[in-house]
Amino acid sequence: DAGVIQSPRHEVTEMGQEVTLRCKPISGHNSLFWYRQTMMRGLELLIYFNNNVPIDDSGMPEDRFSAKMPNASFSTLKIQPSEPRDSAVYFCASSLAGGGSYEQYFGPGTRLTVT
Amino acid sequence: AQSVAQPEDQVNVAEGNPLTVKCTYSVSGNPYLFWYVQYPNRGLQFLLKYITGDNLVKGSYGFEAEFNKSQTSFHLKKPSALVSDSALYFCAVRDEGSNYQLIWGAGTKLIIKP
Repeated sequence: DAGVIQSPRHEVTEMGQEVTLRCKPISGHNSLFWYRQTMMRGLELLIYFNNNVPIDDSGMPEDRFSAKMPNASFSTLKIQPSEPRDSAVYFCASSLAGGGSYEQYFGPGTRLTVT
Repeated sequence: AQSVAQPEDQVNVAEGNPLTVKCTYSVSGNPYLFWYVQYPNRGLQFLLKYITGDNLVKGSYGFEAEFNKSQTSFHLKKPSALVSDSALYFCAVRDEGSNYQLIWGAGTKLIIKP
């Protein structure tokens, strides 16, 4: 298995532009997580999907952020419009079940820089 | 309130010496505990977990961790450190009442010197 796949690996954009991050979870995993990692705030859970349904989006910073999971093998995280404070590394992770006793498998991340 | 603490921002160990990365937790129920490692410019990688059973858990790359309920600790250990162990280590805990939420520690940077 190729593991969790994320694209792009790096994204540099200007403030106000739309940014779309993509994730392909591990086949057979039914839970998907989007995280954001910064030096100041550490690792933050943005949204959690179970069986393609968003279960908890309380970590999404504001309405500029949205996430979708149209099928079991694909998810997107969109930021529109982007702001410099959105600069961070965004990780997608997947797991079996709810991720409780099952470990999460992380993708390589997307490093987003908003200028 | 639920929390995870990694009291050391950085741990320095000489190659070949034993290493310990500390983690303490506070949850309302029985804890599910995890250790992850993050190498530079990479995603987090699962090392080991404690769910139930033996207090000493063995994981990847020769790492092990000891669950101590009375001290609410889950310290990560390795008998002989390698330079390649240098990375950022995260402890995480899941409250038994949650089916997905992990509470993450701030991370400990482990530096192994040759």
